[in-house]
Amino acid sequence: DTAVSQTPKYLVTQMGNDKSIKCEQNLGHDTMYWYKQDSKKFLKIMFSYNNKELIINETVPNRFSPKSPDKAHLNLHINSLELGDSAVYFCASRGPTGELFFGEGSRLTVL
Amino acid sequence: GQQVMQIPQYQHVQEGEDFTTYCNSSTTLSNIQWYKQRPGGHPVFLIQLVKSGEVKKQKRLTFQFGEAKKNSSLHITATQTTDVGTYFCAGPISGGSNYKLTFGKGTLLTVNP
Repeated sequence: DTAVSQTPKYLVTQMGNDKSIKCEQNLGHDTMYWYKQDSKKFLKIMFSYNNKELIINETVPNRFSPKSPDKAHLNLHINSLELGDSAVYFCASRGPTGELFFGEGSRLTVL
Repeated sequence: GQQVMQIPQYQHVQEGEDFTTYCNSSTTLSNIQWYKQRPGGHPVFLIQLVKSGEVKKQKRLTFQFGEAKKNSSLHITATQTTDVGTYFCAGPISGGSNYKLTFGKGTLLTVNP
């Protein structure tokens, strides 16, 4: 069983569209994250939720809206997609000693 | 804000050569973590160092945490093609529930067989 799973793995869409990425973890962790990795491989934190509560919001445009229906799920909805949103989005959950367990990533391409 | 800087950005070696990547923080870290991301893959946790001056080994990989807890290094002895990937260091900011792991920009290692 995959510990942190994201869907979809690939997403190709037109500018202006709205899209969602889903994430689920079966590790029983309380804290989950969304990271954005750009073409230069830089990993930038976007959001963090602890037990369904938003605890970190890194001045991400409000076109990005995370939602956590329960502590095992953290979804990311993006409105009015722009070219600059093209990236790989990683979901992660935090282990007991602070290490992160990443999902396999969702590669978003905006045309 | 706190930054975690990592050098070099790229390193190309012949198989069998050694490799080292260095990480520096602008502030003292409570711990430092290292991750490996294979091409097309996702970051995978390798190790965490907590104590000042700590040294840990995993087979051919040696990790060090500086005495001031502001710098760290990862050294790979006798690289193999399976070592190819991007190595990231990461340090936490804040405490409690607002735990934010800041990543260095990574070092991409390529190995020529």
